[in-house]
Amino acid sequence: DGGITQSPKYLFRKEGQNVTLSCEQNLNHDAMYWYRQDPGQGLRLIYYSQIVNDFQKGDIAEGYSVSREKKESFPLTVTSAQKNPTAFYLCASSRLAGSYNEQFFGPGTRLTVL
Amino acid sequence: RKEVEQDPGPFNVPEGATVAFNCTYSNSASQSFFWYRQDCRKEPKLLMSVYSSGNEDGRFTAQLNRASQYISLLIRDSKLSDSATYLCVVKRGSTLGRLYFGRGTQLTVWP
Repeated sequence: DGGITQSPKYLFRKEGQNVTLSCEQNLNHDAMYWYRQDPGQGLRLIYYSQIVNDFQKGDIAEGYSVSREKKESFPLTVTSAQKNPTAFYLCASSRLAGSYNEQFFGPGTRLTVL
Repeated sequence: RKEVEQDPGPFNVPEGATVAFNCTYSNSASQSFFWYRQDCRKEPKLLMSVYSSGNEDGRFTAQLNRASQYISLLIRDSKLSDSATYLCVVKRGSTLGRLYFGRGTQLTVWP
């Protein structure tokens, strides 16, 4: 089955710790994205990547870092510099070409800072 | 001003009802438009794209008014399974355009 996997599903972190969220896709998509969703708010873009070894900041990149060493993988690290990291994190991927290319989402990771 | 504005609802309707959701977007450079559906505590999934001429998919009809920067979604003959949050999404640019999400409109269909 083709799709996007994210792990873990739930993650608990103590303040001051860095954590890395995994995102893998086997859809052969070039573009990958990380979003954050808070209750009552729309999805906000953290980082996105068009090709391997290249990525751009989204609207709320502060306190986060990413890497794109493989086409299939786009891990997100939530650093201790992120002031309010408790949220639902969603990874997505899409083809590059076309105006109506759909973004497919993974099942998400719920991060809670204790 | 937010890129995409939606009425958050909630909308509570009986089975069989017709319900309409509206959405406005602020940037006239937006090129592509979508409705996504998000079930509680799940990821968003594409419901339908919205084309300039309007389009229909079964019980769902989407309309776009570029002059007014307005998008709508009409659901006819509501089912219990339609209960979800509906996200209005716009894309700026043609290839790797950014997606901008509205906060979502919550719909509950009751028996």
